Amino acid sequence: EVQLVQSGAEVKKPGESLKISCKGFGYSFSTYRIGWVRQMPGKGLEWIGIIFPGDSEIRYSPSFQAQVTVAADKSISTTFLQWSSLKASDTAIYYCARLVGFRYFDYWGQGTLVTVSS
Amino acid sequence: QSALTQPASVSGSPGQSITLSCTGTSSDIGAYNYVSWYQQHPGKAPKLMIYDVSNRPSGVSNRFSGSKSGNTASLTISGLQAEDEADYYCFSFTRSNTWVFGGGTELTVL
Repeated sequence: EVQLVQSGAEVKKPGESLKISCKGFGYSFSTYRIGWVRQMPGKGLEWIGIIFPGDSEIRYSPSFQAQVTVAADKSISTTFLQWSSLKASDTAIYYCARLVGFRYFDYWGQGTLVTVSS
Repeated sequence: QSALTQPASVSGSPGQSITLSCTGTSSDIGAYNYVSWYQQHPGKAPKLMIYDVSNRPSGVSNRFSGSKSGNTASLTISGLQAEDEADYYCFSFTRSNTWVFGGGTELTVL
């Protein structure tokens, strides 16, 4: 059974760094792209970046370029989303999802709530 | 890349059919048959309902169907049920080799 399991909720202060994770189970991790998606409180879905673990090719949404870093470690079937300096506006739920080709997300993680508050 | 345009809210009565629209441009929806639709209930992760414009994943009710005309994609839900009340998002690949979501539609079953 395919599963994406994300790391737990985080509470951070502005200016702090953070790395959240998404581990894949039940499929060949290196052969599917993984995307990260943000959902701010009460708002819609926004794609952040998509990585192909096989060769670490990454594409960022222009809206998030230079704001976050997406990475993968295929030896542990895990992708990461990280911030070097959080802002209050980074408060959101972050989802990872498996992308089939370039076409659609078929499996989603359970989401990681990130709260940034002083 | 601007978000695809979806109506903010749509409502319907049980048993009715409703259609949700998703309007883009010739650089995204109009360029490829790579439109997908996601259902999201409150507090839950999104769920794939339609992929490649009109294909239904295994396990998704055949009351859900998708189509596309030009730069506009549509999701039709027939025989509306209370459990269909949720937010719906469209998603497309673009000519810029990036992706874009719609702003989402809140479906209310009256």
